[in-house]
Amino acid sequence: AQSVTQLDSQVPVFEEAPVELRCNYSSSVSVYLFWYVQYPNQGLQLLLKYLSGSTLVKGINGFEAEFNKSQTSFHLRKPSVHISDTAEYFCAVRTSGNTPLVFGKGTRLSVIA
Amino acid sequence: GAVVSQHPSRVICKSGTSVKIECRSLDFQATTMFWYRQFPKQSLMLMATSNEGSKATYEQGVEKDKFLINHASLTLSTLTVTSAHPEDSSFYICSARPHDRGLGGYTFGSGTRLTVV
Repeated sequence: AQSVTQLDSQVPVFEEAPVELRCNYSSSVSVYLFWYVQYPNQGLQLLLKYLSGSTLVKGINGFEAEFNKSQTSFHLRKPSVHISDTAEYFCAVRTSGNTPLVFGKGTRLSVIA
Repeated sequence: GAVVSQHPSRVICKSGTSVKIECRSLDFQATTMFWYRQFPKQSLMLMATSNEGSKATYEQGVEKDKFLINHASLTLSTLTVTSAHPEDSSFYICSARPHDRGLGGYTFGSGTRLTVV
């Protein structure tokens, strides 16, 4: 079975500062990795995903993440955050086939003006 | 492309009644849909996997007689919360993926906030 650990439940950061949201995973088989963002009372929007190839993945809204197989990590970064980035961020994994996503507990990013 | 519509977005019902939540894939066919439940300030927990034309597969601890799932067509899956109680109040989200979308491409509905009073 797969599991995802998001070490930080809340991350406050000042506007225009850089941010990193941490994600570690555990799996006995190869996985595919995702980051989603959720705004209040809404569904999830895909930020980026790692399926194969380059370990540095660029997504929407200026976010990027790096897959590190040896450290089983997939941390999300943004060099300069905006107020509008305030939201809940979820890291997720899945294996091959028509399998569901397994989510971490989420990290609440709060951008302070 | 790959839009999933979930309805209703909010519902308030009385304890003991049943509520049906619909999840539709608008521009693709989905042989499999996933239903998640999210408690306040918590993550999404997979409840069940909905398979078109066959019975749903429920996760351990999820009561299949309480959370009825029907996937009668390639574009519609429904979740019915039967005899709802206040502890069933939660945010329910469905997810689907076009079968030709490869490894990624999961799309989520906008969620349903269920409040049982």
